[in-house]
Amino acid sequence: EVQLVESGGGLVRPGRSLRLSCAASGFTVSSVHMSWVRQAPGKGLEWVSFLYSDGRTFYGDSVKGRFIVSRDDSKNILYLQMNTLRPEDTALYHCAKDLPGGRNLFPSWGQGTLVTVSS
Amino acid sequence: EIVMTQSPATLSVSPGERATLSCRATQSLNSFLAWYQQKPGQVPRLLIYDTSTRATGVPARFSGSGSGTEFTLTISSLQSEDFAVYYCQQYNGWPLTFGGGTKVEVK
Repeated sequence: EVQLVESGGGLVRPGRSLRLSCAASGFTVSSVHMSWVRQAPGKGLEWVSFLYSDGRTFYGDSVKGRFIVSRDDSKNILYLQMNTLRPEDTALYHCAKDLPGGRNLFPSWGQGTLVTVSS
Repeated sequence: EIVMTQSPATLSVSPGERATLSCRATQSLNSFLAWYQQKPGQVPRLLIYDTSTRATGVPARFSGSGSGTEFTLTISSLQSEDFAVYYCQQYNGWPLTFGGGTKVEVK
């Protein structure tokens, strides 16, 4: 069974950094495309980043140059390094697993970890 | 960036009735359009991808159609569990983008 469990969220000051983790079970993160999607409180969905199985990375315009997605194959964990955080980055951050073969879709989701950026 | 616009923002429907949700893109999507359902306090659920392919376990009352820049999600006979927010997502180009959502509520 596919399971995704995010952690690492919390309250952080603007301009600081935070690293989110997504522990996967039931599959190997290195063999599939993985992504981060966020949802600000009471708002809609926003795609953040994708990490392909071949190592290629893609980012949304609002986080490009500030966020870095990576994975640790030995631990089966996906990460999101968030730098120079802004108040508008406040959201529930979900990791998601793509369909087999990679379609840039989000069929499997973790419950999310809340990031609050505030002074 | 491909901008996705969903309409209406809120749709009031009685149980058993048909619901039709629209999604418009600012450029052609080559059928790379998906729909998600999100209930309060839950993560989104993939319903439809490639415009009209139902994801695993999705009931047949959900159907997707459209082409180019205009797409539709139809729920043929609304059940109580279908009242939720629905999002469309394009995956034809980077960055991936979602529509703002349509809330389907009880009339």
